[in-house]
Amino acid sequence: GAGVSQSPSNKVTEKGKDVELRCDPISGHTALYWYRQSLGQGLEFLIYFQGNSAPDKSGLPSDRFSAERTGGSVSTLTIQRTQQEDSAVYLCASSLQRYNEQFFGPGTRLTVL
Amino acid sequence: KQEVTQIPAALSVPEGENLVLNCSFTDSAIYNLQWFRQDPGKGLTSLLLIQSSQREQTSGRLNASLDKSSGRSTLYIAASQPGDSATYLCAFFLSNDYKLSFGAGTTVTVRA
Repeated sequence: GAGVSQSPSNKVTEKGKDVELRCDPISGHTALYWYRQSLGQGLEFLIYFQGNSAPDKSGLPSDRFSAERTGGSVSTLTIQRTQQEDSAVYLCASSLQRYNEQFFGPGTRLTVL
Repeated sequence: KQEVTQIPAALSVPEGENLVLNCSFTDSAIYNLQWFRQDPGKGLTSLLLIQSSQREQTSGRLNASLDKSSGRSTLYIAASQPGDSATYLCAFFLSNDYKLSFGAGTTVTVRA
């Protein structure tokens, strides 16, 4: 079946602009995660959704970052007033339930000029 | 905070040699662990998931072991091929957490 998909694959924006990144998880997966991978750094957890429960936002680096998940499926990560340090690859993953095997999408490479 | 260390950071071997990739962690309260590979400019591909009650997991030429008492996991890749060239990452769930803690990865180059 289809894997996790993300769009766009690449996004170049100017400092101060808002961006939206989209994630389509595997159908039937209740858990959805966003991670960030910066050049020379490891993967950093951002936010976690489980079903209809309130998300765990503990990994979001600032209040410029927000995310929502509509209908327990598609998720959107929004970054407001982008800064150059936001440049990174943003990865989405889903799993059947929490603690289960996580499957990652191809990522969105964000470049803030 | 869980510390996950992968050694070596980089490895270059001739084709056909067996690969041994190490991953160590500081907290023994591991629930599950997962090994991934990442090709340049791509997302992560899941290779193996070892549940906390298991000691090892095998898939084709890949074998991963888990020793919680010593805080180590090892990924073995038999008879390496140039197509195995990639960065390999280990990641853990803690028993009281649901997000993966990642190591920095081992970048493998298999020379033809």
